[in-house]
Amino acid sequence: GAVVSQHPSRVICKSGTSVKIECRSLDFQATTMFWYRQFPKQSLMLMATSNEGSKATYEQGVEKDKFLINHASLTLSTLTVTSAHPEDSSFYICSARGKPGAEETQYFGPGTRLLVL
Amino acid sequence: AQSVTQLDSQVPVFEEAPVELRCNYSSSVSVYLFWYVQYPNQGLQLLLKYLSGSTLVESINGFEAEFNKSQTSFHLRKPSVHISDTAEYFCAVRNQGGKLIFGQGTELSVKP
Repeated sequence: GAVVSQHPSRVICKSGTSVKIECRSLDFQATTMFWYRQFPKQSLMLMATSNEGSKATYEQGVEKDKFLINHASLTLSTLTVTSAHPEDSSFYICSARGKPGAEETQYFGPGTRLLVL
Repeated sequence: AQSVTQLDSQVPVFEEAPVELRCNYSSSVSVYLFWYVQYPNQGLQLLLKYLSGSTLVESINGFEAEFNKSQTSFHLRKPSVHISDTAEYFCAVRNQGGKLIFGQGTELSVKP
């Protein structure tokens, strides 16, 4: 099946620093990638959608200057949390779509747990 | 706007018992429907999906879901659950804009 990887799986950083999370589609070229945030015991909240080579489209209420998304290639998207604060601590999950024969299906990465001290 | 409602936030069952996780969606147009499973501290794994064709879809580990257009439902069922099925289950619908809309999730807890 399709595989989407994320790195790192967990990260602890100091308040005010920036953190970069990578998302890769390992066996297909992802035409579209998505970034979600999940709080404990809650559902996934879509943060932004990105297509390769285009600027990301952010959901209402998501600060695009704080959550920088780059979709540089068909297999890689990065989310950078700039000047992180404790309230940014969360579980971040990426998702990719575009596998030939299953273009309508989104495949999810294993998630990155961010803790900002 | 489209929405997905999972009527049960928690479903405790005993091992080998049947289970149904309910999912209703709001839509007046054709939709794609999905069930994802999330184990603790992991991402989401696709369990099964309905895109078109047969309204009954099955997963490789014994789950099945039936698309019911008249009731706008996509309930997930398994005739006999295992301890290893303990996880969070999310129902989702893909809207015409291409975004996945998730339900609130149902925590399935299988007890011995």
